[in-house]
Amino acid sequence: AQSVTQLDSQVPVFEEAPVELRCNYSSSVSVYLFWYVQYPNQGLQLLLKYLSGSTLVKGINGFEAEFNKSQTSFHWRKPSVHISDTAEYFCAVSDRGDSWGKFQFGAGTQVVVTP
Amino acid sequence: DTGVSQDPRHKITKRGQNVTFRCDPISEHNRLYWYRQTLGQGPEFLTYFQNEAQLEKSRLLSDRFSAERPKGSFSTLEIQRTEQGDSAMYLCASSLGNAGELFFGEGSRLTVL
Repeated sequence: AQSVTQLDSQVPVFEEAPVELRCNYSSSVSVYLFWYVQYPNQGLQLLLKYLSGSTLVKGINGFEAEFNKSQTSFHWRKPSVHISDTAEYFCAVSDRGDSWGKFQFGAGTQVVVTP
Repeated sequence: DTGVSQDPRHKITKRGQNVTFRCDPISEHNRLYWYRQTLGQGPEFLTYFQNEAQLEKSRLLSDRFSAERPKGSFSTLEIQRTEQGDSAMYLCASSLGNAGELFFGEGSRLTVL
């Protein structure tokens, strides 16, 4: 069975400061890893995914996540946040193969950006 | 808008009543997923379909929950004899095949009084 732990339930951060969201997972098999964002009253949006290859995955707005197999982690980082980054962020894991889409999500990290 | 749409967005019902939620996936997507999200938690997988075939339903929370996708297009999630513990956001997602990105709808929020 899989499990996902997001180590921080809430992260307050000042605008233009860096932020890191931590995610650890446990699984007996190889997995795919994801980060999703959820804005209030909206559905989840995919930010990043790790399927294979380079362990450093980069997003389109300056954020990135790094897969560390030995530490079973997939931490997300952004070097400079904006007010608009205030949202809830979810880490998710999925077994490889036909189980695509059967995600195990973490409990989420609420990022609150203040001026 | 061609994203995943869910209806109704909000539903308030009394304990013991039946409720049904509808999900319309992105038109060419053959996979459809249902998740439940309770306050302060991440989404929890319930069931999924490939075309009209339900590939797994063991994660449905009890036999009061059922889902259908009769023609491989829209799907319905029904909860019979609702209980207060069923209050949650029910999310639908769809993807193209077993490697495509999941696109989530905005969810249907259920409140059971």
